[in-house]
Amino acid sequence: EVQLVQSGAEVKKPGESLKISCKGSGYSFTSYWIGWVRQMPGKGLEWMGIIYPGDSDTRYSPSFQGQVTISADKSISTAYLQWSSLKASDTAMYYCARLNSGSYYPTGAFDIWGQGTMVTVSS
Amino acid sequence: QSALTQPASVSGSPGQSITISCTGTSSDVGSYNLVSWYQQHPGKAPKLMIYEVSKRPSGVSNRFSGSKSGNTASLTISGLQAEDEADYYCCSYAGSSTPVVFGGGTKLTVL
Repeated sequence: EVQLVQSGAEVKKPGESLKISCKGSGYSFTSYWIGWVRQMPGKGLEWMGIIYPGDSDTRYSPSFQGQVTISADKSISTAYLQWSSLKASDTAMYYCARLNSGSYYPTGAFDIWGQGTMVTVSS
Repeated sequence: QSALTQPASVSGSPGQSITISCTGTSSDVGSYNLVSWYQQHPGKAPKLMIYEVSKRPSGVSNRFSGSKSGNTASLTISGLQAEDEADYYCCSYAGSSTPVVFGGGTKLTVL
């Protein structure tokens, strides 16, 4: 079964760092782009960035460039989203999802989604 | 890169058809046949319903269909059912540098 499994919910304080994960299985992890999507409470989906695990080519949304870092470890089929200094406004559900293009070009649709990781930032 | 424009809400009665629009620009929707649609029920992860404007993934009901004209894409749901009540998001490829743009989402209410 093709699936993405994300790490569990996190509760952090402002200023703390955080790295959440997304582990792929059931397919060639290095051949598909993985994207990260934010959903703030009661709001819509926002694309944050994508990474090609085969060579770690990464593209960021201008809204998130410099605010987060996306990385991947292809040896363990896992993508990551990290913050160096969290803010209360980072409180949201974060989803990883696979682009179905199956090629080096970041086209296609998000066909497989993780279950989401809820991040709560509060003092 | 601005979000694609969707109506905030649409509604319909069981058995009826509804259409949700998604308006972009000549840099995204208008330039590529790479529009996708997602359904999201409360507390759940989004689910892919349509890709490449009009293709349905395996397992998605043929009551869901997609189309595009110029800078506007559309999702049509025919034979509305109670289970279709959800939020719907469109998404388009927008070029290799920033390849993904989502719409703001549309809440579908089945009356």
